[in-house]
Amino acid sequence: DAGVIQSPRHEVTEMGQEVTLRCKPISGHDYLFWYRQTMMRGLELLIYFNNNVPIDDSGMPEDRFSAKMPNASFSTLKIQPSEPRDSAVYFCASSLGLLAGGRTDTQYFGPGTRLTVL
Amino acid sequence: GDSVTQMEGPVTLSEEAFLTINCTYTATGYPSLFWYVQYPGEGLQLLLKATKADDKGSNKGFEATYRKETTSFHLEKGSVQVSDSAVYFCALRSSSNTGKLIFGQGTTLQVKP
Repeated sequence: DAGVIQSPRHEVTEMGQEVTLRCKPISGHDYLFWYRQTMMRGLELLIYFNNNVPIDDSGMPEDRFSAKMPNASFSTLKIQPSEPRDSAVYFCASSLGLLAGGRTDTQYFGPGTRLTVL
Repeated sequence: GDSVTQMEGPVTLSEEAFLTINCTYTATGYPSLFWYVQYPGEGLQLLLKATKADDKGSNKGFEATYRKETTSFHLEKGSVQVSDSAVYFCALRSSSNTGKLIFGQGTTLQVKP
């Protein structure tokens, strides 16, 4: 399998612009996660989906952020309008399930999208 | 709320030295514990995990034991290599009812030849 695929790998945009990050999870994985990594706050979960349905979006910072999963093989994270403080690396991850033990609950991470908002 | 605390980095070691990276956690109930590794420019990879007290996770020469009495999950390796240079993250998942991983701040390891 190709692993979790994210695009773009790098994005530079200007404040106020809309930004869309994309993710393709590993085929057959029922869970998809979006994380943000910054120097100040470390790694934080933004939102996660189960079978395309958002389960926990308590980490989404504000209404400027939205995430969708229209089908099992694609998810987007949108920021509109973007602000300089949104600059970070955004990771997508997927897992088979949540059952502890074995590999079921292992989260496999994509390479990340480095977002810079000027 | 639940949290994970790791030792401050960076940690600089010579090749073949012994490695310990401390990790302690605060959580209610019986969380699962993880160590992830991040190589430069890459996403995180699971290194090892443990799901109940006294379990020992191990992989690629790394080990960590789930100690409920001390709420710790310290990462150890007997002989590090230059290729182990990376950022190591300790994480917990509070129960099987949630997918949320809570990460420590990460510890940078640099191994010199």
